[in-house]
Amino acid sequence: KAGVTQTPRYLIKTRGQQVTLSCSPISGHRSVSWYQQTPGQGLQFLFEYFSETQRNKGNFPGRFSGRQFSNSRSEMNVSTLELGDSALYLCASSSKQGSGTEAFFGQGTRLTVV
Amino acid sequence: DQQVKQNSPSLSVQEGRISILNCDYTNSMFDYFLWYKKYPAEGPTFLISISSIKDKNEDGRFTVFLNKSAKHLSLHIVPSQPGDSAVYFCAAAVLGGYQKVTFGTGTKLQVIP
Repeated sequence: KAGVTQTPRYLIKTRGQQVTLSCSPISGHRSVSWYQQTPGQGLQFLFEYFSETQRNKGNFPGRFSGRQFSNSRSEMNVSTLELGDSALYLCASSSKQGSGTEAFFGQGTRLTVV
Repeated sequence: DQQVKQNSPSLSVQEGRISILNCDYTNSMFDYFLWYKKYPAEGPTFLISISSIKDKNEDGRFTVFLNKSAKHLSLHIVPSQPGDSAVYFCAAAVLGGYQKVTFGTGTKLQVIP
C-alpha cells in the first residue's frame, strides 16, 4: 500500500510569488491535513479536508489556502510568499475525519523563500 | 497559545538506559494523546497513543503514562537504542470530535552508543 506522497520535495521561491504543493493520501483515506513545521514551533496546523470540504482551519492568514479533489488528493496554495513562510510543509492522511485515529504523514515539501 | 508543550527541546541518553520524554497540556478538553517520531528528511510516524480513560499504555519498549490531574503525559523508552535518536512530538486531540490534532514543539532525543 503506497504511503502519503507529497510533491515537490524541495522548492525555492522568491518573495511575492505564489506556490502550490500537492499531497496524495493513502488509498482509501478521505481526510487530509496540512501542517507547517518550523524550528522551535513544532507542527502548526493549517487545515483539514474531508470529502472535498474544509473541516478545520488553523490560525494562518488568508494567503494560505487549500482544496481537496474527489479522489482525495489535496493541494495547498500560498500566495504572496514571505520569507517567514520558509518551512517544511507536511501533509497527513487518515481514514477518519478529525481526531481519534493516527495520521500518516508524507515526507514533506521543503519550501525556501528567498 | 501553545496548548501542548514539550519544555525540553533536547535530551541525551546512554544506550540501554531509559529515555523519558515529557509533555504538558493546558486544554482540559483533550482526551486523546499521541506520540510521533520524526527522523530528518522524513515525515512523522505514529508511535503510540493513549485515551484519557487509561493512565498507561504499553507497546514493546514504549510506554506512555497519562496524569490527567496534572495535565501531563510522558513517553518512556526502555531500553533506549541508537535507532531511537529522532525528534519526538507529543500531540493531543478531542476524541471523535472535529477538533484538530494539536502538536507540541518536539524533543530531540539522542541515544549515545
